[in-house]
Amino acid sequence: QQPVQSPQAVILREGEDAVINCSSSKALYSVHWYRQKHGEAPVFLMILLKGGEQKGHEKISASFNEKKQQSSLYLTASQLSYSGTYFCGTDAGGTSYGKLTFGQGTILTVHP
Amino acid sequence: KAGVTQTPRYLIKTRGQQVTLSCSPISGHRSVSWYQQTPGQGLQFLFEYFSETQRNKGNFPGRFSGRQFSNSRSEMNVSTLELGDSALYLCASKAGGAGYTFGSGTRLTVV
Repeated sequence: QQPVQSPQAVILREGEDAVINCSSSKALYSVHWYRQKHGEAPVFLMILLKGGEQKGHEKISASFNEKKQQSSLYLTASQLSYSGTYFCGTDAGGTSYGKLTFGQGTILTVHP
Repeated sequence: KAGVTQTPRYLIKTRGQQVTLSCSPISGHRSVSWYQQTPGQGLQFLFEYFSETQRNKGNFPGRFSGRQFSNSRSEMNVSTLELGDSALYLCASKAGGAGYTFGSGTRLTVV
């Protein structure tokens, strides 16, 4: 089943913060986050394994709540380059290891 | 380090034809996955290969098939093309427990 992302779209001014959520109904082994700009391939941001760890990548960080099967992506002090569609991809592990099920995407637009 | 290379970049095919898409993963990456991306359905998993073995398959009809060679290069084939198969087909590779690196994709248009 496809994870649900919220919000579907968000508009920011440079320097503002945003949070994108990803919720799954299945037990997860890991959550991936990717950003895709128009006409380009998705770019890997980070992976979170079950265990509730939080990771950071420049001004972008993420958390994974294993009990709730939810992950959140935090973008702080947004830059114009952050604009794009953000996808979470969930991996249930076990016999499904390596199979990513992607959310429908969150469109992030950053204005000057 | 070279990225994931997909060929061709664009394809136009007629209904009923078949098509083969190619993917060269990053050197050393043994896991290769294929995804279909459309505006309506988003990113959908097709299959994943590891060391020439298909480990997982998505919910696509048997017209969609793939394979991986000993050098980790992969191909996917779609037979008896339908208009609904028009999409961006993305290949991605990874090593171990890292994230996937995607190729630029093959844009398939079925007319």
